[in-house]
Amino acid sequence: AAGVIQSPRHLIKEKRETATLKCYPIPRHDTVYWYQQGPGQDPQFLISFYEKMQSDKGSIPDRFSAQQFSDYHSELNMSSLELGDSALYFCASSNIRDRKYTGELFFGEGSRLTVL
Amino acid sequence: RKEVEQDPGPFNVPEGATVAFNCTYSNSASQSFFWYRQDCRKEPKLLMSVYSSGNEDGRFTAQLNRASQYISLLIRDSKLSDSATYLCVVNFLSGNTPLVFGKGTRLSVIA
Repeated sequence: AAGVIQSPRHLIKEKRETATLKCYPIPRHDTVYWYQQGPGQDPQFLISFYEKMQSDKGSIPDRFSAQQFSDYHSELNMSSLELGDSALYFCASSNIRDRKYTGELFFGEGSRLTVL
Repeated sequence: RKEVEQDPGPFNVPEGATVAFNCTYSNSASQSFFWYRQDCRKEPKLLMSVYSSGNEDGRFTAQLNRASQYISLLIRDSKLSDSATYLCVVNFLSGNTPLVFGKGTRLSVIA
């Protein structure tokens, strides 16, 4: 079965550079979530989109922005990168109808960002 | 105070042991509860949902105590392959709102 696809899997950037992460949700999933997981930390919710509109906002820095496109893929744009942005960035997707029954989010394998 | 709290461990147990993890959550209006498993450098994956009546899936048993805002996971007959981090996860609202994760409890099952 198709899963959540994230790219790139690994990314190395310098401080103050920009980075873009992409997420392709499971087909027919209408909601995308972005999470950031630092070393030894729990996944922290950044932002989510439902039907291409922002639905919830978490601890996303102002330097970051995200959007969901007409084909439901989502991109997380990060600017003025700082050392502390080094983390694993997960995208997850779900279908609102399925979540009423299972509540499950399906995670991609993550994009590992290293800022030097 | 963190919204979802867990003992980070690590729990080091021999194969065949029974081990229990606990979790507390702060929002009494929380709607749904889960245990996710995360292997090192991998994505979190749903292990099981947690229901008020308690539920069992093979060697795994989950319990929810709404009055105490407490969730537990019991693993019986531990296998080496159970070594992972177990994340307690709460959905504070209904619908497609984001899940809130605990820091996770690390389990190492030793031969």
